[in-house]
Amino acid sequence: QITLKESGPTLVKPTETLTLTCTFSGFSLSTDLVAVGWIRQPPGKALEWLALIYWNDDDRYSPSLKSRLTITKDTSKNQVVLTITNMDPVDTATYYCAHRLTEADGWQFDYWGQGTLVTVS
Amino acid sequence: QSALTQPASVSGSPGQSITISCTGTSNDVGGYKYVSWYQQHPGKAPKLMIYDVSYRPSGVSIRFSGSKSGNTASLTISGLQAEDEANYYCSSWTRRSTLIFGGGTKLTVL
Repeated sequence: QITLKESGPTLVKPTETLTLTCTFSGFSLSTDLVAVGWIRQPPGKALEWLALIYWNDDDRYSPSLKSRLTITKDTSKNQVVLTITNMDPVDTATYYCAHRLTEADGWQFDYWGQGTLVTVS
Repeated sequence: QSALTQPASVSGSPGQSITISCTGTSNDVGGYKYVSWYQQHPGKAPKLMIYDVSYRPSGVSIRFSGSKSGNTASLTISGLQAEDEANYYCSSWTRRSTLIFGGGTKLTVL
């Protein structure tokens, strides 16, 4: 059974760096084709894809946020970490990590964490 | 890149069918089969309902179906049930090797 859970601070100040950790179980990020992504959702608004990392360390970022994002993985700990620099109140959102569906190409997420609300103030 | 275009809201009565559209461009929806749909109940994480335009993950009701024509993808829910009331989001792979979501559609079951 695949599970994911996000953790990190619930409140950060403007200009600070946010570090979020996704701890997962039920799969390995050293297995071919496996990937984990981060998606966020401001209160009352739509989903926004942020970043994704593959089993082979290949990573991808949202073009609009690329300069502020870093995604890394620790296979031994079953964790994926997302850092966002220079946080702003507009970055207030629920942040989700999710497992990429490996039975298909593209980025389609079949398992999601519960999400963690981060407020910038 | 702009979000995919979805109607803000749709509604239907129990037992009826509804369709939610998701319009993009040839650089995303129209150019790839990697279109998916997510259902999100308030306060909950999204749930994958359709992937690769028209495939249902295991466990998703056959009442949910997906299709695509040109730059527009569609999600159809037949035999509407009260539990279907939720927000629905489409997403698509893009030519820039990124992922884009729609603005979301609130489905109300009357």
